[in-house]
Amino acid sequence: QKEVEQDPGPLSVPEGAIVSLNCTYSNSAFQYFMWYRQYSRKGPELLMYTYSSGNKEDGRFTAQVDKSSKYISLFIRDSQPSDSATYLCAMSEAAGAGSYQLTFGKGTKLSVIP
Amino acid sequence: DAGVTQSPTHLIKTRGQHVTLRCSPISGHKSVSWYQQVLGQGPQFIFQYYEKEERGRGNFPDRFSARQFPNYSSELNVNALLLGDSALYLCASSFAGTENIQYFGAGTRLSVL
Repeated sequence: QKEVEQDPGPLSVPEGAIVSLNCTYSNSAFQYFMWYRQYSRKGPELLMYTYSSGNKEDGRFTAQVDKSSKYISLFIRDSQPSDSATYLCAMSEAAGAGSYQLTFGKGTKLSVIP
Repeated sequence: DAGVTQSPTHLIKTRGQHVTLRCSPISGHKSVSWYQQVLGQGPQFIFQYYEKEERGRGNFPDRFSARQFPNYSSELNVNALLLGDSALYLCASSFAGTENIQYFGAGTRLSVL
């Protein structure tokens, strides 16, 4: 079993829809939880990060973490065609001597249809 | 403000050759990490450097090595290239004390023929 599980999709929604993206994890040592957006042939762009269980909102994006269930979500409200990208969840853990490594899910490919 | 910059953008090599990839972190960031992203997968951690010292290493063979310079820029070296090394190589930087929060460059796409 992989440490981070993420449904690769693809996920196709109409413009204006609410999008829900999810990841589950098995490693209790994960400390921070991140969502990255990656356009084709580009590097991942950090969207949001959170440390504790609960919700964090930034504009149309809401990140949700449930540490007891080892489950994280990203919600996108009023989705736009420009949101079409691959969304990667990532989690950090200590890798020794003040170092932290990120463990990523496979990414979910999202298409928002005009 | 300049983000993380990587060079070259794209590289084509043949099996057995050596490659050097370069990264300049965001101004003020002292920690640099390297990741490998194979098509259809999430990035995999290779190294993290801070103040020129290796602080963490992922599950990659000794053919992979890196270093960090006094200006915090970094190089990733891969020897004896294999076809399976074809991937997008990503560099990320972070502030000291917040190495959990990493900002990525656009990557170097390496093709090994």
